[in-house]
Amino acid sequence: GAVVSQHPSRVICKSGTSVKIECRSLDFQATTMFWYRQFPKQSLMLMATSNEGSKATYEQGVEKDKFLINHASLTLSTLTVTSAHPEDSSFYICSASEGGGRQNEQFFGPGTRLTVL
Amino acid sequence: LAKTTQPISMDSYEGQEVNITCSHNNIATNDYITWYQQFPSQGPRFIIQGYKTKVTNEVASLFIPADRKSSTLSLPRVSLSDTAVYYCLVGSARQLTFGSGTQLTVLP
Repeated sequence: GAVVSQHPSRVICKSGTSVKIECRSLDFQATTMFWYRQFPKQSLMLMATSNEGSKATYEQGVEKDKFLINHASLTLSTLTVTSAHPEDSSFYICSASEGGGRQNEQFFGPGTRLTVL
Repeated sequence: LAKTTQPISMDSYEGQEVNITCSHNNIATNDYITWYQQFPSQGPRFIIQGYKTKVTNEVASLFIPADRKSSTLSLPRVSLSDTAVYYCLVGSARQLTFGSGTQLTVLP
């Protein structure tokens, strides 16, 4: 089946620094990638949707200048958390879709645990 | 976007069949129903997807009535390793909205 990887799996950083998280589709071309955030004991919340070569579409309440998303190729999307603060500590999960038919599923990565000190 | 309603939690014993029902009263004509499983600190894992009637794969069955306003995920003979959160989603691969999910706890 389709595999999506994320790197790093876990990151700890100081407040005010920027952190980049990579999301890769390993064996398929992802026309669309999604970024989610999940706080402890809560459900996944969609942050943004990105199509290869286009600007990402952010959900309401998500600061596009703080969460920079780049989808430069059909197999790679990156999320950069700029000037991270403790309240940005969360579990970040990406997913990818091949596009095409409406029933195509999203394939999820293993997630990245971000801790901001 | 169709909103889904699931039980917050369920308990079961090893070897039993578990049925988790999801309500989605305002599902759209083009929406599919997809179930995901999530373990702590892991990304969701696809279980099964359907549009209507019954779908079965190697791990689960999905029952969808004719009006499509609800669906039931059936897990046969659960084991301890099936303890996880199960999410019911309606929509397409381009837009999924996660509800609160159902915490299934399988007891020995």
